[in-house]
Amino acid sequence: GAGVSQTPSNKVTEKGKYVELRCDPISGHTALYWYRQSLGQGPEFLIYFQGTGAADDSGLPNDRFFAVRPEGSVSTLKIQRTERGDSAVYLCASRGGSDTQYFGPGTRLTVL
Amino acid sequence: LAKTTQPISMDSYEGQEVNITCSHNNIATNDYITWYQQFPSQGPRFIIQGYKTKVTNEVASLFIPADRKSSTLSLPRVSLSDTAVYYCLVGGPNYGQNFVFGPGTRLSVLP
Repeated sequence: GAGVSQTPSNKVTEKGKYVELRCDPISGHTALYWYRQSLGQGPEFLIYFQGTGAADDSGLPNDRFFAVRPEGSVSTLKIQRTERGDSAVYLCASRGGSDTQYFGPGTRLTVL
Repeated sequence: LAKTTQPISMDSYEGQEVNITCSHNNIATNDYITWYQQFPSQGPRFIIQGYKTKVTNEVASLFIPADRKSSTLSLPRVSLSDTAVYYCLVGGPNYGQNFVFGPGTRLSVLP
């Protein structure tokens, strides 16, 4: 595809439920990033993949958050036992050979 | 982590040149300076990136002084559609947590 795509665009869930958010990076991009953005704030780094492995997961807020990228392309961000404070826009970005990250449109997660 | 400081908001009128300055006093030797633009309900969009001196593309110019402790994004002849939040970031080749977004500058372009 031409850009980074994320699905779903919107996700509404109930407190305590499990959710998965998907990111399809730009074809050929080896680096993939997840960010979380709350209203009125800049994106907050969560995790960075280089290929299949998590090169830096220091931004994950707690062990309820987990991300995978098993084949070095598509990535899934998984959130267990969701809490109302997890409500935010989750952004994915990918990077190829340059130093530029290209962002997707985000998934808006609402935890009721 | 290289922290950036930029004005929270700016107002301008259509057709004017807008300059947004960002301070990054503790920038590291291998850090690049990157600016992103974000519209509501969209992901950030890359505008321009530079390491030193001046960089220009079809959208903007980026001015970086010799000490690299600040940078200025210049948007020529802004239009209403340039109303957005602009983020200045510094980061090296192994981004990760080093790629830190601040609150950005909310630019409002008025008719």
